[in-house]
Amino acid sequence: KNEVEQSPQNLTAQEGEFITINCSYSVGISALHWLQQHPGGGIVSLFMLSSGKKKHGRLIATINIQEKHSSLHITASHPRDSAVYICAVTGNQFYFGTGTSLTVIP
Amino acid sequence: EPEVTQTPSHQVTQMGQEVILRCVPISNHLYFYWYRQILGQKVEFLVSFYNNEISEKSEIFDDQFSVERPDGSNFTLKIRSTKLEDSAMYFCASSEEARTDTQYFGPGTRLTVL
Repeated sequence: KNEVEQSPQNLTAQEGEFITINCSYSVGISALHWLQQHPGGGIVSLFMLSSGKKKHGRLIATINIQEKHSSLHITASHPRDSAVYICAVTGNQFYFGTGTSLTVIP
Repeated sequence: EPEVTQTPSHQVTQMGQEVILRCVPISNHLYFYWYRQILGQKVEFLVSFYNNEISEKSEIFDDQFSVERPDGSNFTLKIRSTKLEDSAMYFCASSEEARTDTQYFGPGTRLTVL
C-alpha cells in the first residue's frame, strides 16, 4: 500500500509553463516535505509544510490538512527545473511518494 | 553552507560481507536518519536516531542493520551479512531540533552487492 500518492508520474512541459504536481496521503502527519532529486541522485529539501502555503522564488507549495492533499507549483518553468520531485510525510514514520519526473523543454 | 557528507561514494562488496556506511551530519543537528533507494524505486525510510538512541525504525531495519554514533561527528550504518537485495543508494540526513524540521540530505553511498 502507498501511504503517499503523487500525480502525475511523468510530466513534460515547455519552458515558461506553469506546472503543478499533486500529492495525497492517507496517514496522519505532523509535516509534509517536498524534495527535489537531481539526475545524479542528490536530494534537496525544497519545503517543509505543516499548514497553509510557502513560497520560495518560483516555487509555491500548499497543503490542505483536511483533504490530506498538497500541491507543488512551479511558475515560469525552466530547463534547470528538470528533476524528480518527491513528496514525503512525517507521520509515525517517514513515508515517501514515488516521485514525479519533470522534464522542461527549451 | 554546512552540509551532510557521506563516505564512501560507492562501495562494492561480496554477498555475506559486512559493510559500514559513514555519514557526518551537520554539526548542530540533533536528529539523524538513514534512507535507502533501490534503483528505479522510491526512497524508503530505514531509521531515525536522536539522543544517542534509535527513535524510529521501519520494518526494513531488521537485525541485519545497526546504527551508531561512535564519536561526536560520525553516524554509521552497519549492514551485516549483505544480500544481493541490499544493493541500493543509501542516504543519510540530519535535521536541527525536531523530526518535523527540514532534513538535509547527504550525497548518498551507492552500495553494490555482488
